[in-house]
Order: sequence, then C-alpha cells, then structure tokens
Amino acid sequence: DQQVKQNSPSLSVQEGRISILNCDYTNSMFDYFLWYKKYPAEGPTFLISISSIKDKNEDGRFTVFLNKSAKHLSLHIVPSQPGDSAVYFCAASARNQGAQKLVFGQGTRLTINP
Amino acid sequence: GAGVSQSPSNKVTEKGKDVELRCDPISGHTALYWYRQSLGQGLEFLIYFQGNSAPDKSGLPSDRFSAERTGGSVSTLTIQRTQQEDSAVYLCASSADRAYEQYFGPGTRLTVT
Repeated sequence: DQQVKQNSPSLSVQEGRISILNCDYTNSMFDYFLWYKKYPAEGPTFLISISSIKDKNEDGRFTVFLNKSAKHLSLHIVPSQPGDSAVYFCAASARNQGAQKLVFGQGTRLTINP
Repeated sequence: GAGVSQSPSNKVTEKGKDVELRCDPISGHTALYWYRQSLGQGLEFLIYFQGNSAPDKSGLPSDRFSAERTGGSVSTLTIQRTQQEDSAVYLCASSADRAYEQYFGPGTRLTVT
C-alpha cells in the first residue's frame, strides 16, 4: 500500500521556466510534509517543508502548496536552474500519531534543459 | 559541522554472508533512522531510535535484519544470511529532538551476488 505517491517518474523543464512536482497521499493522519532533493551517489538533502495547518510555504525559488481536501501537495521551482536537476522525493509524517518516521514517495527525476 | 557519515560506501558480499553497516549521526542528534532504497523505488523505512526509548522496528523486512545504537550515538545495521533481494542503498538519517527534518548520510550501496 503506497501511502505517498509521485505519479510522474520524470519531468523535463526548460531553464528559466517553472517546474511543478506533484505528490499525492492517502493517509489523512499525515500532518507534516517535506520535500527532499537527491543527487546521484549522495543522500537526500532537505529542501522545504509544510505543516498541515498551512496551505503554502515559500523559501526563495521554492514553494510548497498543500491541498488537504485533495490530499495533494506540490513543489514549485521558479525560475528553474540547471543545478535543480535531481531526483525529488516528497515525504510525510504522522507526528500527531507519535510516528517520527517519514513515508516517502517513489521520487520524480527532474531534468532542467539549457 | 560534520554531517551524517556512513561506512562502507560500497559493499559487495556473497549470498548467505552477514554484513554490518555503520552510521555516525550528527553530534547532538537524539534520533536516528535507517531507510533503504531499492532500484527505482522510494525510500523504505526500516528502524528508528529515539534517545533511550525502545526502537521502532516496524519497518524491518525480516528477522535477518537487526540494528543497535550504542551510547546514543553510532548505529550498526546488521543483515544476516544476505539474500539477493537485500541489494539496495541503505541510508541513515538523524534529527534533533522533536525536529521534523531528517539529515541523511550518503548511504551504503550493498550488492549481494
């Protein structure tokens, strides 16, 4: 049972345009969501997060949107840069249930084309 | 400061052998996690340590897998009688007390032949 799903395994975007990565979840107990970025042969690095009490969080070029009714979150990167090419994972946690472990999606490989 | 470190970075072992993977968390982080990523898959939770509490072992796939954390710092993940399906990248992460964000090490790529 995949509780966190990233349905697009890959995405290609032109440099300077907006990248939109999507993530869906099924567990309504999730109360905190994170995006991680992963380069080859490296561990994932934390990018941005959002609590379930908010619907938007912005940090520089990165914005995460949360739609609780649709159980959907998205990561917007604008403008996209070549260094953004990586695999992006969304993750969720049900801290209000006492669980600190993260449940990850399968990842989306983002390629930024010059 | 130093991040999460893992050793070895790569491990090739024969089916049936035991392996030990090591994780050094960020100094002062009380929580430590093990995940694994199989080819083309997302990260799969294995086990979680928080301070002196009993570990959450709910993600361990079989009794061949075990982990310990000595002195609240370094952790070792042990896989006994390795199988080919154990081949994956094993990732360790740590976090500060009550913090949501987890910081990952570079991983150990395990290949079982």
